[in-house]
Amino acid sequence: AQKVTQAQTEISVVEKEDVTLDCVYETRDTTYYLFWYKQPPSGELVFLIRRNSFDEQNEISGRYSWNFQKSTSSFNFTITASQVVDSAVYFCALSEEYTGANSKLTFGKGITLSVRP
Amino acid sequence: GAGVSQSPSNKVTEKGKDVELRCDPISGHTALYWYRQSLGQGLEFLIYFQGNSAPDKSGLPSDRFSAERTGGSVSTLTIQRTQQEDSAVYLCASSRRRGSSYEQYFGPGTRLTVT
Repeated sequence: AQKVTQAQTEISVVEKEDVTLDCVYETRDTTYYLFWYKQPPSGELVFLIRRNSFDEQNEISGRYSWNFQKSTSSFNFTITASQVVDSAVYFCALSEEYTGANSKLTFGKGITLSVRP
Repeated sequence: GAGVSQSPSNKVTEKGKDVELRCDPISGHTALYWYRQSLGQGLEFLIYFQGNSAPDKSGLPSDRFSAERTGGSVSTLTIQRTQQEDSAVYLCASSRRRGSSYEQYFGPGTRLTVT
């Protein structure tokens, strides 16, 4: 069975600080995908990134960066120079890919990030 | 283009009543998913549609829950004889095809409150 653990539940930082959100996953499959979604106060889940299990290169998109390490089964998300608009709940999710099946997402419990001005 | 839409946005119902929740996926998206978000359980998968068929219903919590999809588009999630533990936000997502290489786009959700 697959599992996603986001051990941090709430993080509070001051604007312009860097913050890292941790994600640890469990799966028996060799082919899988990892995701991060953002849920702002409006409630709608916003897709941020997808990474497949064969691509361990780190990714950077503006102030966002992701660090995927298969050796530690982690897929951590860093926000550099945080802004108030980054305040949201962030979910890490896992999807296994196997023939004939769907790609349902298994989510972590989410991390509530508060960025104070 | 239009995103995933859900209706109603909020629904308050009395215990024991039936409710129907609607999802309009992004046009052309063949895969459709229902999830539930509650305080105690977090975000949980309920059911998956590929076209009009539902090959995976493993997340439906009881036989009071059912869902259908017609015309490969609109989907309805029905909860019969609602219970207080059914109170949650019900989220619908669609993706262009099945497979994890296609990201899922989520709707705004329906907040269900059972009194």
